[in-house]
This record gives sequence, structure tokens and C-alpha cells, in this order.
Amino acid sequence: ELKVEQNPLFLSMQEGKNYTIYCNYSTTSDRLYWYRQDPGKSLESLFVLLSNGAVKQEGRLMASLDTKARLSTLHITAAVHDLSATYFCAVVPNYGGSQGNLIFGKGTKLSVKP
Amino acid sequence: EAQVTQNPRYLITVTGKKLTVTCSQNMNHEYMSWYRQDPGLGLRQIYYSMNVEVTDKGDVPEGYKVSRKEKRNFPLILESPSPNQTSLYFCASSWGTGWGYEQYFGPGTRLTVT
Repeated sequence: ELKVEQNPLFLSMQEGKNYTIYCNYSTTSDRLYWYRQDPGKSLESLFVLLSNGAVKQEGRLMASLDTKARLSTLHITAAVHDLSATYFCAVVPNYGGSQGNLIFGKGTKLSVKP
Repeated sequence: EAQVTQNPRYLITVTGKKLTVTCSQNMNHEYMSWYRQDPGLGLRQIYYSMNVEVTDKGDVPEGYKVSRKEKRNFPLILESPSPNQTSLYFCASSWGTGWGYEQYFGPGTRLTVT
């Protein structure tokens, strides 16, 4: 059974600082997703990572995937208040019959303070 | 406008009274999925559908039913709701879970079972 763990679960940052959110998963996968959820809102897709070494960047957010380490990171550069949200990673396991099974981490609640 | 719609958005019901939450997408997506979100647990997949007439269980399917008779619709049925099904429910759709396809989420349905 695939388990997805995010660290930290809560993160309070100052504006302008850098930080990294980690997403570890327990079995093989080569498909990993990052989502953002604002309070009281739905989820918004940020990144889809499909292969080992994949790196994607959008604004102050950069996501990477290391399938050998079963680890993805979401790096935040020079945080601004608008990045305050909850961030989720989600993984599709590689084992057979599970092509549509998406397992989410518990989420990282990010608060960026001035 | 490309979107996933859910109805109702809010529902308060009583234990045992059958209900259906509808989900519809206008993007001709093959893949659709239902999730529930509970505080501290993140999102958990209930059921998913890879295409018309093809559905499969996610991680928490007990107490739920789904059907996919048309590509655009994927209703979630609670035959006999119980208080532990009080939750925030999201429907999502995409072209699939590979090849960089991002998921589009509906606005959510907040269900309370008393």
C-alpha cells in the first residue's frame, strides 16, 4: 500500500525567506502531482512530474522529483504573502490495476508573514 | 469555459436518507474521480473512473456508489448516509493520470449527516 508523507505539516515563514516542503512516498511511482488549496476553496493544479530528475518552475515555486529516493520537493523562493495556502502532493502508484488511484499527502499549511 | 460542476454545494441530511451528489465536466475528459477531505487527513480517493462504464475503488469506497454512464457525468451516491460521511467532497476530471495531464477540481460539496 502506498503511503505519502509530507513534511512539515505546518510552516510559518517570513516574507523574503526560502523554504522547502518535502513529499516522501513508500512504493515506486513515476507520476507525482502538486496542488494548492486556498482556504475555503477547491484545489488548483501546480505541477505534474513524470520522470526521475524532472524539475518544473512557476514563479517562486519549483518542484522536483527523485524517483529513486521516492522524494519530491517543492521549493519556495523569496516567499510572499500570496503564497499562503495549503500545498498537497499526490502520487499514482506503479503497481498494476491502479492507474487511476491517486494518493494524497496530508498537506502542508503554509503561512507567510510580513 | 472549461469547468467541473458539482451539485449541491451544501447539503444537510439525516442518517439513512439516500442522496446523490452530481458531478459534470465539459472538457470531454476520460478520467473522473471523487475525493473526500477531512481535517488532518488530507484528501482520500473514494472512487475513480478511467472511462465510460469503467469504475474502480479508491482508498475509502465503503458506503459509496458511483456510476459512469456518460462521459461527462460521474454521480456519487450515498445509499444510507451515516454521520461519519460528513465531509467535504470534491470531484475531479482529467485526460488521465499520466502524460502530464493535470486534474481539474470541482468547487466542492459540503455534506453534513445528522
